[in-house]
Amino acid sequence: AQKITQTQPGMFVQEKEAVTLDCTYDTSDQSYGLFWYKQPSSGEMIFLIYQGSYDEQNATEGRYSLNFQKARKSANLVISASQLGDSAMYFCAVNTGTASKLTFGTGTRLQVTL
Amino acid sequence: GAVVSQHPSWVICKSGTSVKIECRSLDFQATTMFWYRQFPKQSLMLMATSNEGSKATYEQGVEKDKFLINHASLTLSTLTVTSAHPEDSSFYICSAESGQENTGELFFGEGSRLTVL
Repeated sequence: AQKITQTQPGMFVQEKEAVTLDCTYDTSDQSYGLFWYKQPSSGEMIFLIYQGSYDEQNATEGRYSLNFQKARKSANLVISASQLGDSAMYFCAVNTGTASKLTFGTGTRLQVTL
Repeated sequence: GAVVSQHPSWVICKSGTSVKIECRSLDFQATTMFWYRQFPKQSLMLMATSNEGSKATYEQGVEKDKFLINHASLTLSTLTVTSAHPEDSSFYICSAESGQENTGELFFGEGSRLTVL
């Protein structure tokens, strides 16, 4: 079984600043994928970034980057140059093998302020 | 990119009635779909895996007779909440797998918010 831990229930960040959202995971599988999703108040799940367990380089997607530390089982999301529209819930998730069945963390609510 | 659509987005029903939620893959064939449930301010919890042409696989603790899943075609899976009660009020969201190797992007529907009075 997999387990995802997000220790920050809520975070505040000023506009244009960078913010790091923490995520640690626990899995016994050698091959797995790590995901970050954004969920605005409307409810839809918006895919942000993916890191495969065998990828040696940290994933980046625009203003999003994933700080992958495999030995520590950590997959933190870094959002650079925060925007007001980044205010939302952020979920870290893991899957194993080729299945798309995800295990989600409890989420972090990010609030971007002026 | 691929699109997954859910319908209805919002539904309010009386206790004891059944409600059907549809999940459609609009531009790809989904051999597997997943149904999640999300209570307010909580995470998504997987309810079941829906496989086209076969019975759904339910997660531990999910009543299969309560939450009926049908995956009759490669583009449609339905979740029926039978004899709904107020405790079934929740946000239900589906995701779909295209059958390709894990490319990192999974496709979620917009979600369906169920309120049982």
